[in-house]
Order: sequence, then structure tokens, then C-alpha cells
Amino acid sequence: DSGVTQTPKHLITATGQRVTLRCSPRSGDLSVYWYQQSLDQGLQFLIQYYNGEERAKGNILERFSAQQFPDLHSELNLSSLELGDSALYFCASSKGRWGSPLHFGNGTRLTVT
Amino acid sequence: AQTVTQSQPEMSVQEAETVTLSCTYDTSESDYYLFWYKQPPSRQMILVIRQEAYKQQNATENRFSVNFQKAAKSFSLKISDSQLGDAAMYFCASVTQGGSEKLVFGKGTKLTVNP
Repeated sequence: DSGVTQTPKHLITATGQRVTLRCSPRSGDLSVYWYQQSLDQGLQFLIQYYNGEERAKGNILERFSAQQFPDLHSELNLSSLELGDSALYFCASSKGRWGSPLHFGNGTRLTVT
Repeated sequence: AQTVTQSQPEMSVQEAETVTLSCTYDTSESDYYLFWYKQPPSRQMILVIRQEAYKQQNATENRFSVNFQKAAKSFSLKISDSQLGDAAMYFCASVTQGGSEKLVFGKGTKLTVNP
């Protein structure tokens, strides 16, 4: 058990809809990262937060947004969903120090129909 | 920009044998970390091993060890005495210094362990 909690485990929704994925980091970790894993693109970095502030942005679509709350949990919002958004979405956390390993949650499997 | 390349989409090994998974990376930074992560069918990403670029000594964690060749930008993972539970996707990843600790991942190598 990595200590990172992601909910829900599975999500099935229709095109055009909006969903929210939730992540609670390991106790003591200040940084939260979101990754998207699809079959053809591998693990793609979306966004990172550190202690409530956005720290780095990757290949995150404008339809996607995220935030980290004062209690350090994070939410990833996906809107106007398309079939191509179907993927496994991982949250990871770390202490935020240079070289700290990332600890991953079990992921949320999103299926857009 | 960082890139990580895993040239072996699939590998197989007999139980109790040794297997080596390849990884090459490219970065213009002088200071960085390299990682191997394992993703079993349960899909969780599990840290296997970490290597600091400025350390010449190869990292080791029980049956897992790396061969870090900095000049060649190569970072291979050796699994000794392979076990059925080692069957998984293995991802090589790198992170460079510079304001973010985001990992850049390779495409992965699927390891099958045959009994």
C-alpha cells in the first residue's frame, strides 16, 4: 500500500460529460502529480501541485483542470469528455524535494462511451 | 527536453533465471535521478529502484540491481533469481533538476516469467 488514495476506482460516463477524480496524498507529502496512462501514449504527465500551488504543467488539455486544497488533497476535473479521454488516471505524491521518489495511487479507470 | 527510451516492448525469462531490461535516456542536465517502476496486473505503480546520477556506484535492492553507464546514458535493470511475481510492465523514468520533480517515463517493457 503506497498510502496514496484515489477515488473512484472506476468511472463510466458518456461523451460530453464532466467528471471529478479525487486524490489524497501520503501523510507528510506536499506534492501531488497527475498522470494519464493510455495504451498508445504511455504515462503522460499532466500537472503537479506543491502545497496548494501549481508547480508544473505538462500535456494537460484545456478541458482538464486540477487543484490542490489546503488539506493537500487534489482533484482532477475532466470536462466535455471525448472517447479519447478513456484512460487510467494516476495520482502520485512525494515530499516535493528534488529526487524524491513518487508514490502512486491505484489509479482511476475512466471509460467514456 | 528529457526523453527515455525502452527498446524492448516485451521480454521473457525462466523462473530462477536472470534478465536484463534496457533503458536509455537523454538529457542536457548534469544532475538527475533515474528510476525503475513496476506495474503488475493490479496496475499499481511500484517503485523498484532509484539511482542518483552523481553516484557512480550502481544501486541495488535485493534481487534488483542497475547498470548505470552515465557516459552512454544507459540505465539497465537486472533481475536475478526471477520469480513469478516479477511478471509486470517495467517502466524506466528520469527526473532532472529545475523547479519540478515530474518523472518522464519510457513506454515500458512487458516482462513474462515462465515457470
